[in-house]
Amino acid sequence: GAVVSQHPSRVICKSGTSVKIECRSLDFQATTMFWYRQFPKKSLMLMATSNEGSKATYEQGVEKDKFLINHASLTLSTLTVTSAHPEDSSFYICSAPRAGGPTYEQYFGPGTRLTVT
Amino acid sequence: GNSVTQMEGPVTLSEEAFLTINCTYTATGYPSLFWYVQYPGEGLQLLLKATKADDKGSNKGFEATYRKETTSFHLEKGSVQVSDSAVYFCALSNTNAGKSTFGDGTTLTVKP
Repeated sequence: GAVVSQHPSRVICKSGTSVKIECRSLDFQATTMFWYRQFPKKSLMLMATSNEGSKATYEQGVEKDKFLINHASLTLSTLTVTSAHPEDSSFYICSAPRAGGPTYEQYFGPGTRLTVT
Repeated sequence: GNSVTQMEGPVTLSEEAFLTINCTYTATGYPSLFWYVQYPGEGLQLLLKATKADDKGSNKGFEATYRKETTSFHLEKGSVQVSDSAVYFCALSNTNAGKSTFGDGTTLTVKP
């Protein structure tokens, strides 16, 4: 079964409003989670690294004031798209590393489809 | 920085055909290499991985070998099925717990 969940799976919002997307690790703790954005027929682009108990680390070119990330607990990270515009419409995917013996494996959430009208 | 270059698609094959999707990478150190699959409307699923040179990852009939000398991790399957139709992403990570760098994805369509 899924080990990383995202909510909502789809959201439609009006331009200028804010939208919050949740990413949860279901049966393990994740001090770090990652947020990606996927454009149609394109690859995943890393937006930021979410760090539990501290500030997120944003990739170059990603506006931290527009894409607010909060990692308030060891199982939950949230991405808030503030003052959304149509160009923010995309598929947002989170991932969390889970330890499996001496190594980790990245688990990806099912994604959230955001449409801004 | 890290980068992954993947064979451009789309790729269309007939059922039972042989599949190869090329993937080469540039990275510092000794990254782990991954192939992910994304079915229509779904999130990414790990297909297979290799964590060191000469390792072979395999799953569901798919295989890929970590070739350090050619910095490649080509995905192969001897006989594809219609159900293999999906987008395939090659990726790397310098640490398994760290962020991943993805290729652009290759769309595979298998026709009966």
